[in-house]
Amino acid sequence: GAVVSQHPSWVICKSGTSVKIECRSLDFQATTMFWYRQFPKQSLMLMATSNEGSKATYEQGVEKDKFLINHASLTLSTLTVTSAHPEDSSFYICSASAQNLAKNIQYFGAGTRLSVL
Amino acid sequence: SQQGEEDPQALSIQEGENATMNCSYKTSINNLQWYRQNSGRGLVHLILIRSNEREKHSGRLRVTLDTSKKSSSLLITASRAADTASYFCATAGAGAGTASKLTFGTGTRLQVTL
Repeated sequence: GAVVSQHPSWVICKSGTSVKIECRSLDFQATTMFWYRQFPKQSLMLMATSNEGSKATYEQGVEKDKFLINHASLTLSTLTVTSAHPEDSSFYICSASAQNLAKNIQYFGAGTRLSVL
Repeated sequence: SQQGEEDPQALSIQEGENATMNCSYKTSINNLQWYRQNSGRGLVHLILIRSNEREKHSGRLRVTLDTSKKSSSLLITASRAADTASYFCATAGAGAGTASKLTFGTGTRLQVTL
C-alpha cells in the first residue's frame, strides 16, 4: 500500500518551453503533497507543500510563477516548470502523506529527471 | 540552513559487516526518520523514532536518538550488497504547523561489496 506514481520519469525539453510533472497517490488519498528538487549527490530541497484544494506554500527562494503547483484532487498534484532554462535541469521528486496513514511519513514517487537543452 | 549533517558522506564496507551512519540536526524535533534512496530513484521510508524515544529496532536496522546532542545514528547489521544506496535522515519540526514538513540531511552513500 501507499504507492505514489510520478510521471514522466525522464523528460528532455528545449529552453523556453514548459514541462508538467504529475504525482499521483494510487491507493490512498493524499491530504498533503510535497515537491522536492535534488541535485546530483546532494540532499533533497523542499520546494513547496500543497494541500488539496488550496494554494501551495512555497519555500523561501522558490519562484511561484516559475514552478506552478496544482493540487486539484486528493490523488493528484502537478508541478509545471514554466519557461524552462538549462539551470532548471535537475531531479524533481514528489511525495505524499495522509492523515489516515502513518502520520509524518512521506511516500515518495520515483522522481523525474528534467534536462533542459 | 536548517539542513542536517550526516557523517560519513560515503561508506564502503564488505558484505556481512555492520554499517553505522550518523545524523546531526539543529532545531527541536517532533520525530526523526531515516529514508533510503537507490540511485536515480525516489526515497523509501525505513524507520521513524519519536523525540521521546531513545532507541528503535526494525529487522536489521537499529536507530538511536539523543535529543540533548541533537543527533541520531542508524546501524545496519549484517549488511548485504542490496543495501547499497544513499541513506538520509529527515527531521519533522516540533513547532506548530511544522510537523508535516521534513528537513533532510546531506545523506550517506553506502557501498556494500561482495
